[in-house]
Order: sequence, then structure tokens, then C-alpha cells
Amino acid sequence: EADIYQTPRYLVIGTGKKITLECSQTMGHDKMYWYQQDPGMELHLIHYSYGVNSTEKGDLSSESTVSRIRTEHFPLTLESARPSHTSQYLCASSGTTGGYEQYFGPGTRLTVT
Amino acid sequence: AQRVTQPEKLLSVFKGAPVELKCNYSYSGSPELFWYVQYSRQRLQLLLRHISRESIKGFTADLNKGETSFHLKKPFAQEEDSAMYYCALKTTSGTYKYIFGTGTRLKVLA
Repeated sequence: EADIYQTPRYLVIGTGKKITLECSQTMGHDKMYWYQQDPGMELHLIHYSYGVNSTEKGDLSSESTVSRIRTEHFPLTLESARPSHTSQYLCASSGTTGGYEQYFGPGTRLTVT
Repeated sequence: AQRVTQPEKLLSVFKGAPVELKCNYSYSGSPELFWYVQYSRQRLQLLLRHISRESIKGFTADLNKGETSFHLKKPFAQEEDSAMYYCALKTTSGTYKYIFGTGTRLKVLA
């Protein structure tokens, strides 16, 4: 079934650790996005990609980095986690046909202690 | 500047009452607008898009270019409509970025 997956769903980690949040989609979409969202609050775009080897920073400055080596995979990495990185991270994808809407993953809730 | 404004953070209505969630946008081109909904403990999902001119779960939204608005309406609210609603604009000038409003929490009271 076509879907967008994020792992892990929950992560509690200590300050200074390196972490990678995984995002994969089987929608056949070329565009992928990462948002940061505190519960019940607005979404902030932190990274996006229009295709393989294409990545751009979003509107919210973030210390994270992303890569897009395969169309279906868009991981987000934090080299050194800090408590200020505690948030929910949402991955999304969209295509270039149909209604152009975004499809969202279930999110990863990150807590840095 | 490109912006989506949802003036109400919280909207409480009684079951059976009409609902209107406001959304105003600022965009120099022809926008594509969407409403997304996030129910408790569920992922963010599309509710409706203006190009489809459809009614989903009794909700409708009309794009008013003169007032630069895309308000979401439902004539009779149900308790299961309680959720967080986000208005979003997709840029059409060569990029595929989405600009989200700050969201409105709708509470439908019994």
C-alpha cells in the first residue's frame, strides 16, 4: 500500500548524541519535506527536496541536515542533539500530478534530555 | 510576502451549530489552497482542496480572491469534528513549497 513511513515514532536521547530520523515513501513522489511541529502548534518547514541530490533549507533555521540519495528516502540527521531540538518532526511528500497535496507521515517525537 | 493567517487559535461551538474556520492568505500569484486536519493521535491529513470544489465530511471551502480568503464551513458541527485544522497555500511560481497557517483548534461541545 502506498504510504509514507517514519521511524522511530518516539525517541528519547541524551545531549550530544548523533541521531538520524528516517522517512520513506512508497507514493512514487519526487518531492519530500521535513517540518518541525510542537504539539498543536504551527508547522515550520526545515528542509525540502525536489528530487534525488536536490535539497534546500526551509524557512526555519535548523541545525539538522538531510540527504536525498534515493527517491523514496529522505533521512534527517542531527550531529549533536540538544534539548532545544525536542519537538515533533513530520515528513511529507507530494507529487506533480493530481491535486498536488502533501501526504504526511505519522511523525517522530524527539526528546533530548 | 507569502503568508497564511488563521486568526483564531481556538474555536468552540455546540453540536449542531454552524462552524466557520477563517483563513486569509497573502500571495502575489494564483494560489492553490488546502485545508488539512489533524485528529487526536492521528497524522495530519488532507481535508479538501479548492481546485476540487468538493464537500468532505460536510465541510466546504470557497476561494474568494477578492477578499483573499478560503474559509472552511460546515452547517452542523459534530463532536467528531473536534480537531486541529490547518489552512495551507501551495506556491505555484516554479516551486512546490507549502505555507501553513498557525492552525485553529475546533472543539465541538455536546
